[in-house]
Amino acid sequence: EIQLQESGPGLVKPSQSLSLTCSVTGYTITSGYDWSWIRKFPGNKMEWMGYISYSGSTNYNPSLKSRISITRDTSKNQFFLQLNSVTTEDTATYYCAGVTRYVMDAWGQGASVTVSS
Amino acid sequence: DIVLTQSPATLSVTPGESVSLSCRASQGISTSIHWYQQKSNESPRLLIKYASQSISGIPSRFSGSGSGTDFTLSINRVESEDFSVYYCQQSYSLPRTFGGGTKLELK
Repeated sequence: EIQLQESGPGLVKPSQSLSLTCSVTGYTITSGYDWSWIRKFPGNKMEWMGYISYSGSTNYNPSLKSRISITRDTSKNQFFLQLNSVTTEDTATYYCAGVTRYVMDAWGQGASVTVSS
Repeated sequence: DIVLTQSPATLSVTPGESVSLSCRASQGISTSIHWYQQKSNESPRLLIKYASQSISGIPSRFSGSGSGTDFTLSINRVESEDFSVYYCQQSYSLPRTFGGGTKLELK
């Protein structure tokens, strides 16, 4: 069974970078899934942020412009989210998810991140 | 971007009732729609994929239908554990998008 777990700081200051790690167990991230980041804002709106494929290619939501980067460490079976120049509007719960045949069928438990000075 | 509009925003029901939740896409997306349930303080759980395909481990009272722009998630005889928020999500094109959610609450 695939399991995902997010980790990282729960508080980030405005203008700084948000960095989160997703640790995957039960599956090797180079084997065939795509690996996504999704966030849920206060008030229930959900936003897909981007993904890194099993081969290492990436695709990002244009709404995040050049602020986002998704990378991976295959030796640790982890992938990462970096979001630069954060504002209070980036306050959200961040989820990592495994995607097979375009379906998000495995989710982490979520990491709450608050952007505040 | 493809906009998904869910209705109603909130649905108040009593256990035992059967309900239908709607998701409308801003353009035709074939059957590339998936439904998720999110209970309070939990992560989303996949209920239905590709509009009507069932998922292992999901109760049979959940079913989906539709194609093109109009989709429906049906719950036959709602149980107390079903009170949560439901989202639709499209995989027809990038960027992936979600609907705004329907909250199913106890009347």
